[in-house]
Amino acid sequence: GAVVSQHPSRVICKSGTSVKIECRSLDFQATTMFWYRQFPKQSLMLMATSNEGSKATYEQGVEKDKFLINHASLTLSTLTVTSAHPEDSSFYICSALAGSSNIQYFGAGTRLSVL
Amino acid sequence: GQQVMQIPQYQHVQEGEDFTTYCNSSTTLSNIQWYKQRPGGHPVFLIQLVKSGEVKKQKRLTFQFGEAKKNSSLHITATQTTDVGTYFCAGDSGYSTLTFGKGTMLLVSP
Repeated sequence: GAVVSQHPSRVICKSGTSVKIECRSLDFQATTMFWYRQFPKQSLMLMATSNEGSKATYEQGVEKDKFLINHASLTLSTLTVTSAHPEDSSFYICSALAGSSNIQYFGAGTRLSVL
Repeated sequence: GQQVMQIPQYQHVQEGEDFTTYCNSSTTLSNIQWYKQRPGGHPVFLIQLVKSGEVKKQKRLTFQFGEAKKNSSLHITATQTTDVGTYFCAGDSGYSTLTFGKGTMLLVSP
């Protein structure tokens, strides 16, 4: 159980375009999901906490207008990178809390390359 | 804000040798979690420690949580090539968000 699906796994786009990444909990309902960013050989940096039915909570330094998060249902959260630029190229990973547990289950990640 | 420091950043061992990674938090934790990320993969939950002084074992892996609930360690006995990956500790101060350490990359040579 506690499977999180993330799509797409890889995306290459031109500078200036927007990219949407989906994170789905397949066999459980996730009131809370998290979005992380990871640079090569670096740790996971929390970008924002996504709560179903309410606005996301962004970490300091993360532009909310740049990284739009929508958590419209208990099984889906989306991250949209708007007007992507080469410096936005990174590995984006989502995770979800299952039930009352505080264990996070991670998606497979999305590798974004902006040309 | 909370900081979680993890050492070493990198360790290369011969298969059969032991390995330990250490994690230290700037604040007292509600619990600490450990994750493993294989090269090119995503973090996978290994274990959660909640109680002061807690020790848990998973086959060749031994996890410890310090008495003050500010530090933790992961010890692997007799490493195997399948142990290769980056091991992250993640501290939970009680608000559900995790602060990840920088991770320890383990390379095991046959």
